[in-house]
Amino acid sequence: DAKTTQPNSMESNEEEPVHLPCNHSTISGTDYIHWYRQLPSQGPEYVIHGLTSNVNNRMASLAIAEDRKSSTLILHRATLRDAAVYYCILRVGTSYGKLTFGQGTILTVHP
Amino acid sequence: EAGVAQSPRYKIIEKRQSVAFWCNPISGHATLYWYQQILGQGPKLLIQFQNNGVVDDSQLPKDRFSAERLKGVDSTLKIQPAKLEDSAVYLCASSREALYNEQFFGPGTRLTVL
Repeated sequence: DAKTTQPNSMESNEEEPVHLPCNHSTISGTDYIHWYRQLPSQGPEYVIHGLTSNVNNRMASLAIAEDRKSSTLILHRATLRDAAVYYCILRVGTSYGKLTFGQGTILTVHP
Repeated sequence: EAGVAQSPRYKIIEKRQSVAFWCNPISGHATLYWYQQILGQGPKLLIQFQNNGVVDDSQLPKDRFSAERLKGVDSTLKIQPAKLEDSAVYLCASSREALYNEQFFGPGTRLTVL
C-alpha cells in the first residue's frame, strides 16, 4: 500500500485556519486521497476525499498538489470540537474500498 | 439515519478466554469492515465483507480470530483464545458499497485482556 507521511502533532488557536499537511510521494494514478478524523473515545469520521482537483465540503477543504505527491487539509476556522487525530489515507483504486490508516496528526486547538 | 451499532462497549477477560463482539451496520449498507486499533496506533483492517461474502481477510489472525456475517446484515467477530496482545479497540464500519467513498464507523468495543 502507498504510504503517507504526516506530522505527529500540530497546534492551533480557536477560530484560526488550520493547514494539515500530508506527503504521499509514491501515490499512483488511481489512488484516492482520503481524510478521516478521530475524536477522543470515538470511531473515525470521514472528512473529505479527492483524486486530482481541490475539493470543498461543509467540514473542510482539500488542496491537492499538481503532481499529487502532497495534499493539505484545511479547516477554515478551528473550533475546540476539531481537536482530534487526523488521518491522511491513500485508498488504492482497485483495493475494494480498503483504507490503510497511519499514525495520523494529533491536532490540539487552544481556546 | 441510525449509525453503526456495536456491543458490548467494554469487555475485560482473562487470557485464553473467548470473547465475541457484535456489529449492526447502517441499514442498506452492503459492505462491513472490522478494524483493530491498538492504543496509540491507527485502525488496522482485520476483515471486510461484501454482503455475506469475505472480500479481504489478509490481516485476520485466523488461528484465533473468526468473523461471520451470515445474512448479509449484522456481524460477529470472535477471538478464541485471547492473548494479552489482543487488548485493543475493535471498530466496526460500514459503507453502501465497497467502492463507495465514505465509511461510517461505530463507537468500538474496548477489549482488555488480563
